[in-house]
Amino acid sequence: SSELTQDPAVSVALGQTVRITCQGDSLRSYYASWYQQKPGQAPVLVIYGKNNRPSGIPDRFSGSSSGNTASLTITGAQAEDEADYYCNSRDSSGNHLMVFGGGTKLTVL
Amino acid sequence: EVQLVQSGAEVKKPGESLKISCKGSGYSFTSYWIGWVRQMPGKGLEWMGIIYPGDSDTRYSPSFQGQVTISADKSISTAYLQWSSLKASDTAMYYCVRVVAGHDAFDIWGQGTMVTVSS
Repeated sequence: SSELTQDPAVSVALGQTVRITCQGDSLRSYYASWYQQKPGQAPVLVIYGKNNRPSGIPDRFSGSSSGNTASLTITGAQAEDEADYYCNSRDSSGNHLMVFGGGTKLTVL
Repeated sequence: EVQLVQSGAEVKKPGESLKISCKGSGYSFTSYWIGWVRQMPGKGLEWMGIIYPGDSDTRYSPSFQGQVTISADKSISTAYLQWSSLKASDTAMYYCVRVVAGHDAFDIWGQGTMVTVSS
């Protein structure tokens, strides 16, 4: 079982805002990173650190954190944002070991 | 261009050994941690472990400790993931990843190596 918990599925209407969450005790001490994975493709980093976007990631993607919950927000979701999203952070031991959340399937309606 | 290029798909029988590779280019290979991530068919991502090619410091997820070996040859900028005795449950896509300096995040992903273990 994962130490990071994500909702299995979330849906959003085209152009609306959606928040995908990730819960875990380690998130009180460490930032989460977020990955987008489309079918048949390798995952892509979309958010890391406090709220950093790699080059090429649209600014509609943002990250935040509060307590034991990290969030990925997509403001104005597009059809191409339909994908699986995974969070990642250190595990509870903090010994430079990491863990992924179970993933959230985002459907854009 | 910064990239990680993995070796090709493998089909093996249970009990066989295997070593897959991940070659980094376009950056200082010895200065970044390299990790391995498993994705079983239709399932989520699982973090397996990481290695620092500069000094071969290696960390394993408890779930994979003793099941696989992670290594690196810095002279050829290549990391490896190996099994001594494959099981059918090792059938999965395996990705190598580069860890963002100073962050717990993976900015560069290899294209993946599909490993199929079947009798």
